[in-house]
Amino acid sequence: SQELEQSPQSLIVQEGKNLTINCTSSKTLYGLYWYKQKYGEGLIFLMMLQKGGEEKSHEKITAKLDEKKQQSSLHITASQPSHAGIYLCGAAPSTPLVFGKGTRLSVIA
Amino acid sequence: DTEVTQTPKHLVMGMTNKKSLKCEQHMGHRAMYWYKQKAKKPPELMFVYSYEKLSINESVPSRFSPECPNSSLLNLHLHALQPEDSALYLCASSPAGTGNYEKLFFGSGTQLSVL
Repeated sequence: SQELEQSPQSLIVQEGKNLTINCTSSKTLYGLYWYKQKYGEGLIFLMMLQKGGEEKSHEKITAKLDEKKQQSSLHITASQPSHAGIYLCGAAPSTPLVFGKGTRLSVIA
Repeated sequence: DTEVTQTPKHLVMGMTNKKSLKCEQHMGHRAMYWYKQKAKKPPELMFVYSYEKLSINESVPSRFSPECPNSSLLNLHLHALQPEDSALYLCASSPAGTGNYEKLFFGSGTQLSVL
């Protein structure tokens, strides 16, 4: 079965700093989802990447898919307290969706 | 309406109680899911319903009993739970549940505590 490893497991950054979260697959990665979760709440869809080399942006969050490395990276520019939460990657195509263990992001003033 | 609604938001129950979790969506999605999430862990799949039929049961104990009365509703009936079943229970839906690249829409979850 496909496994997704996320790094780092947790991250504390100062407000205004940039950061990157990685998601590496144990098998060929044809596509990938990124979700965000606030503690004790549901998952919010951020973006889906379907093709190698694809890059998508939503506000200050950019994600890329590198098929050769079987990896996706999520980059946040000028972090804000609203970015705090748990970021989860999910493998595609995979029905049903399987998640990585998540990266816990804290943004401090 | 692009929401998945879960009720209740919080539930405390004893080990001898019977309770139910409810999930509703009105997006016309034909696949619905139950996930269980323990603290600091990723969501783990429990059940999948596709076109109102149970298509996946991830070896979940029988004290959890899913039900899909119609294409918009998904229930999870709970009976004789154990304290280790305390977790956040997440419902999700997707358009068809059979194709690739299906985006899942999640509810806000039910935080369950078993005493």
